This record gives sequence, C-alpha cells and structure tokens, in this order.
Amino acid sequence: NAGVMQNPRHLVRRRGQEARLRCSPVKGHSHVYWYRQLPEEGLKFMVYLQKENIIDESGMPKERFSAEFPKEGPSILRIQQVVRGDSAAYFCASSLDREISPLHFGNGTRLTVT
Amino acid sequence: QKEVEQNSGPLSVPEGAIASLNCTYSDRGSQSFFWYRQYSGKSPELIMSIYSNGDKEDGRFTAQLNKASQYVSLLIRDSQPSDSATYLCAVATISGNTPLVFGKGTRLSVIA
Repeated sequence: NAGVMQNPRHLVRRRGQEARLRCSPVKGHSHVYWYRQLPEEGLKFMVYLQKENIIDESGMPKERFSAEFPKEGPSILRIQQVVRGDSAAYFCASSLDREISPLHFGNGTRLTVT
Repeated sequence: QKEVEQNSGPLSVPEGAIASLNCTYSDRGSQSFFWYRQYSGKSPELIMSIYSNGDKEDGRFTAQLNKASQYVSLLIRDSQPSDSATYLCAVATISGNTPLVFGKGTRLSVIA
C-alpha cells in the first residue's frame, strides 16, 4: 500500500518563476490537505480539497497561490511568481472521509527560491 | 482563532529518563488530539492519537488528555537518543471541514 506520494522532493526556482508541487493521495482517499512549514516553525494549514472541490482555503495566500484536485490525477499546489519568502517545505496529507482521522503525510517538497 | 501552544524547548533529558511534553489548545470544541514526531528534514510521523479524557498508553508512549483544562501531554518513558526529534501537537474538531491545527513543536534532546 503506497502512502501519500509527493514530487518533486526538492525544487529550486528563481524569483519570478512558477512552482508546481504534486501530491498523489493514498489510493481511495478523496480528501487532500496541504501544509507549509517554514524553518523552525510548525505546520501551517493552507488548503483542504476534495475531488474537484476546494473545501477550505483559509490558510492560503490570496495571490499567487492556487490548488486543485482534479477528478483524475494528483493534487497540484501552484505558486506563481515565486519570491524568497516562499522557500519552505510543503507537505501533503490525505484522508478517506470528511471526518478528521489521523492524517498521514507525504515526504514533502522542499522549495528553494534563489 | 484556534491556537495550539507548545514550549519550543529544547527539552533535554538523560537517556533512560521520562520526557514530558505539554500542549494547550484554545478551542473548547476540539475533539481529536494527535502527537507527531518529526526528525530534522523529514515529514511528520503520527505516534499517538487520543480522543477522550484520561491516559492512553502505547509502548513507551503515554498520551494524557484533560479537556476541562484544555491540556494534552505526551510522556516518553525510558527515553532513547533516537527519540531526539521535534514533537508536534495537533488538534481538530470533528466538524467535517476542520483541518488539523498544529503547535510549533517541542524539540527534545535525549543525552546519552
């Protein structure tokens, strides 16, 4: 049973470029959560998606950030025109249903903006 | 604003001692409580979950929950150097769309 798969593991982008982070949930899971972790900080909730729907994006910056979870394929977190402050680890987690069960995280994508 | 507070540490304990990690939360409606362990540069790993008042034991780990005091703790008995990591407390309300809220974590160092 594969867990949550994220790719790439490491991503380097220059300021102004776009970053695309992918997350494949556990097979059969239809709920995906994205969290961001800055160095020496805790995990900050960004967005919660169910297949084809954004349920809660209260933690996501209003500009430059977007997320989707299409009917087919992985969830994508997209950051346009990246800035140095976007450098962080981005973690994805999935769950089977809408009630909170323990979340299991992928290995994360470490974004570095130069 | 739902908040989860943890002492950032570092908490240093000698090998074989009991490490006690504490967490308080602000939302009285919280129903689910989790402890995650995160090694440097790695993803968080779930180690304990607790849903009702009292103690829950799993091997060397014991989670304690007191909803009246809005307090949850994690005890690690017979601490080992391999337990050295950051421990994240996470809290959720079972209300459908609510995501987990994490504390900033407590860094534990077990000295051999």
